[in-house]
Order: sequence, then structure tokens, then C-alpha cells
Amino acid sequence: GAVVSQHPSWVICKSGTSVKIECRSLDFQATTMFWYRQFPKQSLMLMATSNEGSKATYEQGVEKDKFLINHASLTLSTLTVTSAHPEDSSFYICSARDQKGETQYFGPGTRLLVL
Amino acid sequence: AQSVTQLGSHVSVSEGALVLLRCNYSSSVPPYLFWYVQYPNQGLQLLLKYTTGATLVKGINGFEAEFKKSETSFHLTKPSAHMSDAAEYFCAVSDYGNNRLAFGKGNQVVVIP
Repeated sequence: GAVVSQHPSWVICKSGTSVKIECRSLDFQATTMFWYRQFPKQSLMLMATSNEGSKATYEQGVEKDKFLINHASLTLSTLTVTSAHPEDSSFYICSARDQKGETQYFGPGTRLLVL
Repeated sequence: AQSVTQLGSHVSVSEGALVLLRCNYSSSVPPYLFWYVQYPNQGLQLLLKYTTGATLVKGINGFEAEFKKSETSFHLTKPSAHMSDAAEYFCAVSDYGNNRLAFGKGNQVVVIP
């Protein structure tokens, strides 16, 4: 139980294009999902908290217009990196909070490379 | 705000020896504590967690951790290291209702044959 998937696992795109990453909770409903960014050999940095049916809450320093988050259903949240630039290249990981509200379960991550 | 301290970014352990990863936290409210493991190019897998109740928590793959409130610690142990334990380990803290996780910097565990 408590499986979270992400798609795609790898994406390479040209500078200036937009990329959408999906995060799905496969066997439970998640009213809250989280998006993280991880740089090589570093810890996870929380980017935003995504709540089903409402606007995401972004952490300080994260551009909400660049990183668009949509949480349209209880099992799906999407992160769209708009007008991507090479500095947006990173490992993006989502998590979904379980229904007890205690534990976050993480997806396998999406590696984005912007050329 | 909560925070986590994990000392020693790289930890080397011989196969069959004790694995000990230290985690100290700060929190203004009773914490929820977690250990996650990350294998290369993968997401995080929950090893174990403490929310309430018994302070000695057993997790997957033979790992366990003990919550010590007086020491504000949640150290992770495994009696006998296996080659498959080579990975990055993260300690994290959250408080109920908020659930925003604060992560430590991680420990890269290397198992020496």
C-alpha cells in the first residue's frame, strides 16, 4: 500500500519550453501533496504544498508563475515548469500525505534536464 | 520551526558491523519523526516512523530507531550491515497538523566488504 508514482521519470527539453510532471497516489486518496526539489548530493527542498481543489502554497523564494501546480483530484497533482531554463535542471520529487495525516509517501522522482 | 541535525555526511561501515546513524531534532511541539532511505536516482522510501506510543520503533530491512525526548534524538540502528544497505539516509521531523517535513542533510552510507 501507499504507492506514489511520477511521470515521466526522465525528461530532456529545450530552453524556453514547458514541462509537465504528474504525481499520482495509486492506492490511497491524498488531499495534500508536496513538491520537492533535490540538487546533487543535497537534501530535499520543499517547493510547495498542493491541496486538492485549492491553490498551492509556495515556499519563500519559489516562483509561483514558473512552477505551476494543479491538484485537480484526490489522486493527481501536476507540476508544470514554464519557460524552462538550464538552471531549472534538477531532480523533482513529489509526496502524498496519507489519510491519517501522519506520513508522506514519496514518488520515484523526475529528472529534468534543460538544454 | 523544526529542524534536524545529521552529523557526518559519509558513513563507512564494514559488512556485518553495526550501522548507527545519529539524528537530533528541535521542535516546539511533540514531533513526528521519520527515517527515509534513498537509492541512487530514486525517490525516498519510508524506513520507519515515530508518532506516538512505544519509543522503540522497528522498520523495514532490520532497521530500528529509538525516540529519546530528553536527548531530542532519534538515532537509527541496524545490528548487521548488508551490502544492500548502501544508500542515502534522511532523518525528518514534522508536527501533527502541519506535516511539513524538515529534513536533515542526509548520511551517505558505504558498506565495505
